[in-house]
Amino acid sequence: NAGVTQTPKFQVLKTGQSMTLQCAQDMNHEYMSWYRQDPGMGLRLIHYSVGAGITDQGEVPNGYNVSRSTTEDFPLRLLSAAPSQTSVYFCASRGGGGWTEAFFGQGTRLTVV
Amino acid sequence: QKEVEQDPGPLSVPEGAIVSLNCTYSNSAFQYFMWYRQYSRKGPELLMYTYSSGNKEDGRFTAQVDKSSKYISLFIRDSQPSDSATYLCAIITGNQFYFGTGTSLTVIP
Repeated sequence: NAGVTQTPKFQVLKTGQSMTLQCAQDMNHEYMSWYRQDPGMGLRLIHYSVGAGITDQGEVPNGYNVSRSTTEDFPLRLLSAAPSQTSVYFCASRGGGGWTEAFFGQGTRLTVV
Repeated sequence: QKEVEQDPGPLSVPEGAIVSLNCTYSNSAFQYFMWYRQYSRKGPELLMYTYSSGNKEDGRFTAQVDKSSKYISLFIRDSQPSDSATYLCAIITGNQFYFGTGTSLTVIP
């Protein structure tokens, strides 16, 4: 998907470990967000940011932290991973034209054992 | 009650068939209605969007919204094997973005 890069693509963690999922976009989009996708649950919003220095919680924020120090980057941190955080994580950004200009990254498949 | 309900399928159709994918929603304040396509192990990509009742066509795809019934549909004509994917409806109001669970579609050659 054009413009939104997520790393890593795959990750296996042990319970209690911490890690950061990276998201970067090169479209100068102000709005960025993180979703998790689970079978039968659809995509659920974790955190979002409307610009550098501004973040807010979404539907399922517990266990995740975010920060937005630059327009380009929006990392998602898991401080103490739990098996319930096993999921596919997607980062998305959108431009000023609204959600018709939204782009999603390729996803990070995270397994917590 | 979920904000958006979508039949998860899976759907399996022969090549050339007409496919109908549907979602219902609960909040009449919703403003934008979108359909995303997601190929296996990829991120969702926007397929179509509309913000009013009625039909919107784009090639073989037609998005339909009935605000009085809170019902949205995506029709695919002359379906192709390349249409095999998961289709997600998404409904937006302000910064709130609600996704359906997705319908898995397989088009058999």
